[in-house]
Amino acid sequence: EVQLVETGGDLIQPGGSLRLSCAASGFSVSHDYMSWVRQAPGKGLEWISVIFGGGRTYYADSVKGRFTISRDNSNNTLYLQMNSLRADDTAVYYCAREGTIVGAGFRGVESWGQGTLVTVSS
Amino acid sequence: DIVMTQSPDSLAVSLGERATINCKSSQSVLYDSNNKSYLTWYQQKPRQPPKMIIYWASTRESGVPGRFSGSGSGTDFTLTISSLQAEDVAVYYCQQYYNVPYTFGQGTKLEIK
Repeated sequence: EVQLVETGGDLIQPGGSLRLSCAASGFSVSHDYMSWVRQAPGKGLEWISVIFGGGRTYYADSVKGRFTISRDNSNNTLYLQMNSLRADDTAVYYCAREGTIVGAGFRGVESWGQGTLVTVSS
Repeated sequence: DIVMTQSPDSLAVSLGERATINCKSSQSVLYDSNNKSYLTWYQQKPRQPPKMIIYWASTRESGVPGRFSGSGSGTDFTLTISSLQAEDVAVYYCQQYYNVPYTFGQGTKLEIK
């Protein structure tokens, strides 16, 4: 059974840093496409980053240069390093396993974690 | 970036009636090479993560009830619930996978009338 468990959310002051973790089970993060998606309180979904199976990474403009997605294959864990945090980064952060089909590309997120809340406030 | 615009923002439909949600992309999300539109629909119920219900604009995800269907190609897409059930109350999002960033629509809140 596929499971994603995010940890690391916290109350942090503006300008601070935080690292989110997403422990995966039932599949290997090293072989799959993994994303982070966030949702501000009462708002919609915002895609923020993806790491491809081969290691390429992409970011939304809103987090580019401040956030870094990475993975630890030995621990089967996905990370999101967040620096220079701002109030508008306050959100529930979801770890997501992208569904892909060989030769046809992305389908969409087929597995989600339950999310971890990051609150940026003084 | 591709901008995804959903309409309406909210919708109230009677039980058993049809619900229709629209999604428009600022540029085509159709790959000519395989004739697939990279448009996914999600359902999000309160206090839950989203759930994929339709991908490639019209392919229903395994386990999703047959009353859910998707249509459209290129830039204009529709999610239809043929006969609304109480458990379909949720916010529905479209997302494009044609180009990074993989942008979402703003969401459509579906309620019972």
